[in-house]
Amino acid sequence: DADVTQTPRNRITKTGKRIMLECSQTKGHDRMYWYRQDPGLGLRLIYYSFDVKDINKGEISDGYSVSRQAQAKFSLSLESAIPNQTALYFCATSDFGSAQETQYFGPGTRLLVL
Amino acid sequence: AQSVTQLDSQVPVFEEAPVELRCNYSSSVSVYLFWYVQYPNQGLQLLLKYLSGSTLVKGINGFEAEFNKSQTSFHLRKPSVHISDTAEYFCAVSDSGGSNYKLTFGKGTLLTVNP
Repeated sequence: DADVTQTPRNRITKTGKRIMLECSQTKGHDRMYWYRQDPGLGLRLIYYSFDVKDINKGEISDGYSVSRQAQAKFSLSLESAIPNQTALYFCATSDFGSAQETQYFGPGTRLLVL
Repeated sequence: AQSVTQLDSQVPVFEEAPVELRCNYSSSVSVYLFWYVQYPNQGLQLLLKYLSGSTLVKGINGFEAEFNKSQTSFHLRKPSVHISDTAEYFCAVSDSGGSNYKLTFGKGTLLTVNP
């Protein structure tokens, strides 16, 4: 089984709808991240969380919110989706306290907002 | 703050040819450097990383990269590529201090290996 899983893998929604993307991990890592990937732009950090009570904005948090329900679960919400949020979304985890926190990525959720 | 420039958005090569994917970074502090690979319809996988020590870093699948501090570069190389190396490759940087969890990614280089 994969260490970092994301659901759904693909989603089509309409402008104005609320949508939630979920991420679960079995690596036992403290830190979790949400990124957005757009063609030609690389990955950009949306939110990150160091533990259940520590959530921080990344460089492009506007229009998104997150919830860290447990150490292993980190959800990303779009309260009112808009077409320019169409992108590939990745969840990642890392282990605080290791020499360098290598990030491990999930398979991604492809989101289309019509 | 750091930034990463991947100098080529696309690199087409023939099977068994050598390849170099170029990456330059900008930072006012010491850095850690990474290369990630993204195969079609998959997430990102760590290829190799430079933290300290030897400037030549070897990774998985026969890839290696060399850290050049004076040139602020971290180019990725493979002496002989395979069809299965077709993927998008991302260079990333973090600072080596307290914010080392924050990765800044380049825009990616699509490597296409042709038969």
